[in-house]
This record gives sequence, structure tokens and C-alpha cells, in this order.
Amino acid sequence: AQSVTQLDSHVSVSEGTPVLLRCNYSSSYSPSLFWYVQHPNKGLQLLLKYTSAATLVKGINGFEAEFKKSETSFHLTKPSAHMSDAAEYFCVVSDLRAGGATNKLIFGTGTLLAVQP
Amino acid sequence: NAGVTQTPKFQVLKTGQSMTLQCAQDMNHNSMYWYRQDPGMGLRLIYYSASEGTTDKGEVPNGYNVSRLNKREFSLRLESAAPSQTSVYFCASSYGGNTEAFFGQGTRLTVV
Repeated sequence: AQSVTQLDSHVSVSEGTPVLLRCNYSSSYSPSLFWYVQHPNKGLQLLLKYTSAATLVKGINGFEAEFKKSETSFHLTKPSAHMSDAAEYFCVVSDLRAGGATNKLIFGTGTLLAVQP
Repeated sequence: NAGVTQTPKFQVLKTGQSMTLQCAQDMNHNSMYWYRQDPGMGLRLIYYSASEGTTDKGEVPNGYNVSRLNKREFSLRLESAAPSQTSVYFCASSYGGNTEAFFGQGTRLTVV
């Protein structure tokens, strides 16, 4: 079965410093991977996705992630944090069985990012 | 386009009461999902529907039923609510395959 592990439940950075949110996945197939963001009391918004094209994926709001098959990782980065980046971030793997019609998106437990002024 | 619309946004139930959460999408997506979100546990899949007329269990289906009414609508029913079902519920939809899902704004349910 596919799964995803977010290595930090909380990350705190200062405004203007780099952000690194770590994610490792387990998959028996070629996975699709996603990062979603959830601002307080809001729904979930897609930040970026990897679907076997370029291994470095750029998303919205200056975020990017690199797919590393040898390390089974898909870490999310941003060069310079902004106060508006404070939110919860979810790493997600797509559990698509061969020949399957739909993907079950399997969520990590989330990383809460705090940005200090 | 409204995207994914869930109703209601908030609900308080007494233990043993029943209710149905409604979800509709206007993106012509094939697949629809119901998740619950609890602190520290991420989102867990309750049920999903790969296409109109099909439904399948996810990770935590006990205590829930679903109906894929048509391509647009996917409802979640709690027949006899329990305090353990206090949670935030999200409906989502996608084209299927390896595509991303789009989420509704959530329903905050409290069972007392």
C-alpha cells in the first residue's frame, strides 16, 4: 500500500528565510505526488504536483518540490518565507492501481508552518 | 464556476441522530471523495466514487453510507451519529487517474 510520511509536525521560520517541509513516500508503483496547503478554517488548495514529468516541480506562491526516487522523497521548499505562508501543508500520494479508474489520495499528517516576523 | 460546494457548513447533532452531508461539483469530474479531518491525523478517506454508479470504501468507512446520485452529486450519510464522528468533513472531486482533486470548503460537524 502507498503511504506518505511528513517528518515534521511543526516548522517555525523567520520571515525572509528559507522554508523546507519534508516528505517521504512509499509506493509500489510510479507515484503521483502533490502538496496541498490549508489556511486556518479554509479548504485545501493545490500548491503543486508531480506526475512523472520533470523531477523539479514549480508551484504557486514561489514554492517548489523535487522528486527524488532514490531517496523516496518529495520535499517542499521556498527560498524566502512570507507571513502569508503560515498554514498547514499536506504531502499527498496518489494510490492508483494499475488499470484503476481513480486515485485514492493518501494524505500525510500535515506540517504546521509558523512564520515569525 | 462554483467548483465543489458542500452543505451545510456547520452542524451540531445529538448522539443517535442522523443527517446527510451534501456535495455537488460543476467541473464535470468523474471521481468524487469524502474525507474527514481530525487534528494530527491529516485527511482520511471515508468513501469514494470512481464514476457515476460506483462507490467504494476508503480507510474509515464504518458508521457512514454514501450515494452517488448522479455525476454531479455525492452525499454522505450518518445513520446514527456518535461523538467519535465529530470532525471536519471535506468533499472533493477529480477527473480520476493521477489528476489532482479539488476540495470543498468543509463541514464542521459536532456530535454531542
